[in-house]
Amino acid sequence: EAEVAQSPRYKITEKSQAVAFWCDPISGHATLYWYRQILGQGPELLVQFQDESVVDDSQLPKDRFSAERLKGVDSTLKIQPAELGDSAMYLCASRPAGADTQYFGPGTRLTVL
Amino acid sequence: AQSVTQLDSQVPVFEEAPVELRCNYSSSVSVYLFWYVQYPNQGLQLLLKYLSGSTLVKGINGFEAEFNKSQTSFHLRKPSVHISDTAEYFCAVRNQIIFSGGYNKLIFGAGTRLAVHP
Repeated sequence: EAEVAQSPRYKITEKSQAVAFWCDPISGHATLYWYRQILGQGPELLVQFQDESVVDDSQLPKDRFSAERLKGVDSTLKIQPAELGDSAMYLCASRPAGADTQYFGPGTRLTVL
Repeated sequence: AQSVTQLDSQVPVFEEAPVELRCNYSSSVSVYLFWYVQYPNQGLQLLLKYLSGSTLVKGINGFEAEFNKSQTSFHLRKPSVHISDTAEYFCAVRNQIIFSGGYNKLIFGAGTRLAVHP
């Protein structure tokens, strides 16, 4: 069964450093999502792509976060510089056209020291 | 604006006992409803969803949920839990209607931690 892939699974960094997370959605899924899940809370959408276009980044802190999906397949989420409050699980999900279900990857757990 | 309230942050239960995880939502329009499960250090897995039709929805692992429009609730139930059901459970909601130029996002509750004890 196809799955959403994410790497790395765990990342520890110091504040003010740059970090990047990678996501490879299920093949053929046009819609890709990045979520942030703070410990003890539900996931919150950071950015949504339709193919290579951003369709919702209203909750993305654009002064330090950026996301791209250049060829409409895999995607990278970057934080520069990282802050202590960025410590969280970063989840990627994808959805096929016309469907209602999002399929989640295993996530990247970020710890900022 | 939509919101989801999961009324219990933690639910302890003994193995083979029944369990109900409560979820209420707020929305001015018709919605789709979802329950996801998250095992430690893993992503979310869909348990079940309500899109339309029968208000009683059956999902994987023996879970079911009932949509109650008048009470704006979508409670999750299982008649007999196992140790392996220990996990975090998330209720989520999304608008049915996609407004012009908009993309409806999935709104999650804060989660309920189900702890099954032997």
